[in-house]
Formats: sequence, C-alpha cells, structure tokens
Amino acid sequence: NAGVTQTPKFRILKIGQSMTLQCTQDMNHNYMYWYRQDPGMGLKLIYYSVGAGITDKGEVPNGYNVSRSTTEDFPLRLELAAPSQTSVYFCASSLQGARAFFGQGTRLTVV
Amino acid sequence: KNEVEQSPQNLTAQEGEFITINCSYSVGISALHWLQQHPGGGIVSLFMLSSGKKKHGRLIATINIQEKHSSLHITASHPRDSAVYICAAGGSQGNLIFGKGTKLSVKP
Repeated sequence: NAGVTQTPKFRILKIGQSMTLQCTQDMNHNYMYWYRQDPGMGLKLIYYSVGAGITDKGEVPNGYNVSRSTTEDFPLRLELAAPSQTSVYFCASSLQGARAFFGQGTRLTVV
Repeated sequence: KNEVEQSPQNLTAQEGEFITINCSYSVGISALHWLQQHPGGGIVSLFMLSSGKKKHGRLIATINIQEKHSSLHITASHPRDSAVYICAAGGSQGNLIFGKGTKLSVKP
C-alpha cells in the first residue's frame, strides 16, 4: 500500500516555465488536497477536490490549476512560474470525516 | 490574528520530561488535527478529535470545544520525538487550516 505518492521530489524551474506536480493515491479516498508550505508559515490550501470531476479553490489558488479526472490522481499545474511559487508542495488525501494522509512533498525552486 | 495559534513556537526539553503544546483556534471546526512533521519533511497525522481526549502510546491529545483550545502532551519524552508538531482546524470539506507549528527538540 503506497499511500500518497508525489512526483517529483525536487525541481528547479526558470521564471515563466510551466510544470505539473503529480499526486496519486491508492486508498480510494474521495477527498484530495494541495497545500504549500513556506518557511515560518503554516501550510496553506491551494485547491481541493471532493471527488472525481469536482475541484474547488482554496486560500491561495492564483497561478495554479488542477484537474481530477480519476479518483486516484490530482495533478497540480503551474503556469508561468514565478519566484513567489518557490515553496514545498504537499498533496494529501482523506475519506470524508477522516484523518488525512500526506505525500512526501515536492520542493520547488523558481529562479 | 491567525485563525489557528500554537504555543510555544520552539521548545527544548530534556529526555524524560513531560511536554505540552497548546493550540487555540477561532474558526468553527468539524475536527481538530494534530500532525507531526519530521526533519526530513514528511507529515504524519497523529490525532483527529472533535471532543474529549485521545491517547496513542506516549501521546495524548485533548480538546475543549467551548474554549476552542486543544493540547498535545508527550509523556516521557525521547530524542526521537524531536519534530515539528502542527495543529490544524478541520473544515466541513476536510480542508485544514494550519498553525505555524511548534518545533520540539528533546535532548538526551
């Protein structure tokens, strides 16, 4: 049972480039989330999904897009990367009303 | 004012000491979560509680809904408990509002 798997673990992007952070879970969880963690700050919610085909904005969605075509996968797309998007990104999943399981994180640097 | 406040921000303890980390929140919640973030960065859920008290090994979490306050206790602390402990308020969609974390260092 792999849990929540994020790829890549590390990435350096140049300003203006695009990339997709991958997240997949094998626990058949209906809820999935993307958070970012900046130094000295609590994690902030970027987007979340309550099931396949349904996504919604969180607290800091600007500059990001998501899709949820399957229960397992919840990719996060960065368009036109900016230095302000340098952060550690965490994907998480849960069943409704249950505790969350987190991926290992993706450390992204935009230069 | 942050919606979820933790104290202290940093905590250094000697092995064997009893440790308490506090969390206050100002939002409505469906549950209060305690998480542990290891030095390598991974995040693990420790507790999810909506009332009363939960215990797992040497860890105890309590919540007072009326006062909007929760505590995480570690009994007989050990150097392997060194980590960042994060309190998070859980919303109705399962989304979490996080505190900034408490960095715990337990010295042998």
